[in-house]
Parts: sequence; C-alpha cells; structure tokens
Amino acid sequence: SQQGEEDPQALSIQEGENATMNCSYKTSINNLQWYRQNSGRGLAHLILIRSNEREKHSGRLRVTLDTSKKSSSLLITASRAADTASYFCATAYNQAGTALIFGKGTTLSVSS
Amino acid sequence: DAGVIQSPRHEVTEMGQEVTLRCKPISGHDYLFWYRQTMMRGLELLIYFNNNVPIDDSGMPEDRFSAKMPNASFSTLKIQPSEPRDSAVYFCASSLSSGSSYEQYFGPGTRLTVT
Repeated sequence: SQQGEEDPQALSIQEGENATMNCSYKTSINNLQWYRQNSGRGLAHLILIRSNEREKHSGRLRVTLDTSKKSSSLLITASRAADTASYFCATAYNQAGTALIFGKGTTLSVSS
Repeated sequence: DAGVIQSPRHEVTEMGQEVTLRCKPISGHDYLFWYRQTMMRGLELLIYFNNNVPIDDSGMPEDRFSAKMPNASFSTLKIQPSEPRDSAVYFCASSLSSGSSYEQYFGPGTRLTVT
C-alpha cells in the first residue's frame, strides 16, 4: 500500500510560475524524500527533509514538512520547461530508513 | 561512476516464457532494491537486499517472481512463467547506508511487455 499520496495528480503551468505539490503520509517518519522522474527514465533524488526539520531549500526547490499533519510540500520557484517531469514523495517504512515507499506522483507540465 | 546499470532496456516476450532482468548496482553500495512501476499501481517495492542478503521480499507478487544477488555487483529478477499482467517497467536502485544517507540511485529501468 502507498505510504505517501501526492496532490494534485497533474499540474500544468507556464514558465516562470511557481509549482506546488503536496504529499500526505500515514505513519510516523524519520525523514521524507522527494524524487523526480523524467519521461522514460529512472527516478532521481531531489531533496531529503528530516522529521525534526520544518523547511529545507535547494536551489529553486523549497520543501516543507508538517509532522503534526503528516504532510509535506515541494515548491519549485520560477519554473522552466526542463522542470517537466513527475515528482514523487517517499517515506521509509523500516527502522533503518533504507526501504522506501513511494506515492503515485504529481505530473508537472511546464509550457514555454 | 556509470550509475546503476540494468539490462535489457526492453524485453518483449510471450506469456509462459521465463524472463530474467539484470542489475549492476553502484560500486560500494550495500543496499539493492527492485521496484515495479505501472500506471495503475505506481512504484512498488518488490524486494531489497543488504550486503547481498534478501531482507524483505513481501512485495514480490507471487511465487513466479524470484530475485537473487550472488555477489555485491550483480542481481537478477526472474519471472517464470511470465503473464501479461507482469507487463511494467522494472527498476533497480542501490544505496549506501553510511551515516545518515538514505538517497537511492535508480537505474534506467527495463520495460517488460508480455503478450
């Protein structure tokens, strides 16, 4: 069963706009990760946020985590056509934090 | 490093045939994961290994699926006999458990079509 569920399932925006994707999960976590998948490719790690962190930045990415609501959001600022991809949140289901469960993802389309 | 290598990239086979998917993890990584991705079910963890030992195979759908990791640089996922519902993209990923690093590195995947 899926631990994380992303919302929305699909998002279409124009270049330069911001894109926000949300993730909800069910059980307590040590950390939450976001991955990106370009069409026809494997997933690539974007950012990890630990349960004791509330916000984290990496370039144009901003991730927030609210453990009380069991939710996280990924914000991509000033989007580019190259950001077109599917984005997945993932949480660990084992104590070591090494085995991940992925949500079904948000498909982002950025048009120029 | 070449990253995680999977072969073949595409496989088309007939129902009832045996299918073997191969994976070479990143050198030095001690975890290896097999995933299956479909539109209906998303990305599912099938099995994972730590130091070549299977840790959790609860995601393997049926006895028709088996996975081995004979050494640190090679793993196989076998489906015997294959069925049309096994059609999916199969990903292999590896990670290193040092410190607090949990990042997984994915291969390009094998697209399996069973007719």
